[in-house]
Amino acid sequence: EPEVTQTPSHQVTQMGQEVILRCVPISNHLYFYWYRQILGQKVEFLVSFYNNEISEKSEIFDDQFSVERPDGSNFTLKIRSTKLEDSAMYFCASRDIEITDTQYFGPGTRLTVL
Amino acid sequence: KNQVEQSPQSLIILEGKNCTLQCNYTVSPFSNLRWYKQDTGRGPVSLTIMTFSENTKSNGRYTATLDADTKQSSLHITASQLSDSASYICVVSARAGKSTFGDGTTLTVKP
Repeated sequence: EPEVTQTPSHQVTQMGQEVILRCVPISNHLYFYWYRQILGQKVEFLVSFYNNEISEKSEIFDDQFSVERPDGSNFTLKIRSTKLEDSAMYFCASRDIEITDTQYFGPGTRLTVL
Repeated sequence: KNQVEQSPQSLIILEGKNCTLQCNYTVSPFSNLRWYKQDTGRGPVSLTIMTFSENTKSNGRYTATLDADTKQSSLHITASQLSDSASYICVVSARAGKSTFGDGTTLTVKP
């Protein structure tokens, strides 16, 4: 069964550094999402992406964040200057068409900012 | 403000027993409601998805119900197994692409 993949599984970085989290959505999916989950807290929506542009973003997704689909397969989340509070699990998700609206989640990237 | 509230926060049951998890929401206009299972350190996995016109949906030992009038949903797990130990998350969408997550119910199944 096709699945969403994410790399790396764990990223450790110093505060102020830039990080890029990578996702490969399911190949025929058109809608892409990033979520984060701070340890012990609930999953929070960051951004949705469709047709090569952001369709919606939350208040968490400020100027430090950006997303890109650099080619036909990858979907990336960049954090420009990481803060301690960016430490969390970051999940990528994708879905195919509007009717089903089932989002398939990747395994996540654990980001640790020191 | 769109909100999703789940109860109980945590639950411990013995293997083989049934249990029911609750989800109340204020998301409007309603599009669909999904239940996910999330194992520790893993991404959520979809169990069921229900739209406005559906009031029950099953997936193996998982049965979800939806009352769109009272804005309540439940997830019933029958004949629980040790592998059911996980967090169960209720997610409600107001429209395609914007989802509100509940805090989840942590279920522990003991032998």
